[in-house]
Amino acid sequence: QLQLQESGPGLVKPSQSLFLTCTVSGGSISSSDYYWAWIRQPPGKGLEWIGDIHYSGSVYYNPSLKSRVTIFVDTSKNQFSLGLTFVTAADTAVYYCARRHHDIVTGSHKWFDPWGQGTLVTVSS
Amino acid sequence: DIVMTQSPDSLAVSLGERATISCKSSQSILFSSDNNNYLAWYQQKPGQPPKLLIYWASTRESGVPDRFTGGGSGTDFTLTINSLQTEDVAVYYCQQYFYTPWTFGQGTRVELK
Repeated sequence: QLQLQESGPGLVKPSQSLFLTCTVSGGSISSSDYYWAWIRQPPGKGLEWIGDIHYSGSVYYNPSLKSRVTIFVDTSKNQFSLGLTFVTAADTAVYYCARRHHDIVTGSHKWFDPWGQGTLVTVSS
Repeated sequence: DIVMTQSPDSLAVSLGERATISCKSSQSILFSSDNNNYLAWYQQKPGQPPKLLIYWASTRESGVPDRFTGGGSGTDFTLTINSLQTEDVAVYYCQQYFYTPWTFGQGTRVELK
């Protein structure tokens, strides 16, 4: 059973960078059928997709965050990571990693499943 | 971006009664080439991550009780919970995966009356 676990600092100062890692267990990150995603949820609010990456390096970013976001994958460690620069209080959220299904034959994009438990990142001085 | 709008924002339903949630997309998410609606539904309970319930608008994920039913096509979709149980109290989100950026509805909170 595939599991994902987020890790990283819970507190980041304004204007600094946020860095999180998602460790995948119970399956390989090097599968053609999946992208690996970051999604966030501000306290008490809804879900915002940040971006996702295929092990081959193909990556999609949300245009609203694209200028500040980098996602990369480390297949040797079965991990993928999120970097977000110049953070503000608006970036305070629970950050989830998730697997996004993808049809390599048709190119169809699909749903997110499963999700990690999430990690709360607070931006504050 | 495709905007997903859910209604209502919250609803209270008695045990055993039906809950119906609407989700509307700002443009059609029906792909004519495969006749699939690129829509998923998730359930999120307090302190937990979202859990996939339904994909392709109406296909139930393995293990999801059959009281959960997804329907609709094009721009208008519904999630129906028949015979609401206490464990169904949660926030429900729709999400389109037709076109990037992948976007979610704002969520609908289902409570017990």
